[in-house]
Amino acid sequence: AQSVTQPDIHITVSEGASLELRCNYSYGATPYLFWYVQSPGQGLQLLLKYFSGDTLVQGIKGFEAEFKRSQSSFNLRKPSVHWSDAAEYFCAVYNNAGNMLTFGGGTRLMVKP
Amino acid sequence: NAGVTQTPKFRVLKTGQSMTLLCAQDMNHEYMYWYRQDPGMGLRLIHYSVGEGTTAKGEVPDGYNVSRLKKQNFLLGLESAAPSQTSVYFCASSSDWFTDTQYFGPGTRLTVL
Repeated sequence: AQSVTQPDIHITVSEGASLELRCNYSYGATPYLFWYVQSPGQGLQLLLKYFSGDTLVQGIKGFEAEFKRSQSSFNLRKPSVHWSDAAEYFCAVYNNAGNMLTFGGGTRLMVKP
Repeated sequence: NAGVTQTPKFRVLKTGQSMTLLCAQDMNHEYMYWYRQDPGMGLRLIHYSVGEGTTAKGEVPDGYNVSRLKKQNFLLGLESAAPSQTSVYFCASSSDWFTDTQYFGPGTRLTVL
């Protein structure tokens, strides 16, 4: 069965520093991958998604993610973090066996001034 | 457009009580979903609907029922609440299959005593 692992539960970065959030998946074929963000007290919002083609995907709010098949990873990056990026980030994979998105456990990002 | 709205925002139940959570979307989306979010576990799909009058089970359907009598509304019912159902519940909708962008409501925080 497809699964998603986000190894880092919490990450703290300084404002202006670069960011990389890790996501590893298990899936036999080419996966459909997603990153969602949840701001405090809000629902989730799609940042970006990968289905096929260029392995570097651009999203909203200056985020990008790179699909690496050899490492089964889909890490999220941002070159310069803003205080408003403090939120919880979820990686997800489309689980075609169950017709659903399977979400990772989430990474909570804190931004130091 | 309001997007996806959920009613109520908070609720406290006693074990054995029943309640219904209402989700409404004004985007004319075919697909609607109910998720629960528990700490460290990401989101898990409870039930979903691919159109008016249709519903299907997700990953964790036990103890919940749903109905989609109107395209814009998706109801989640708890017939006999249990403490294990204490969670934050999110409704989402999308215009197409699971791999399309899902738009989430703000959530309902439910506590079962």
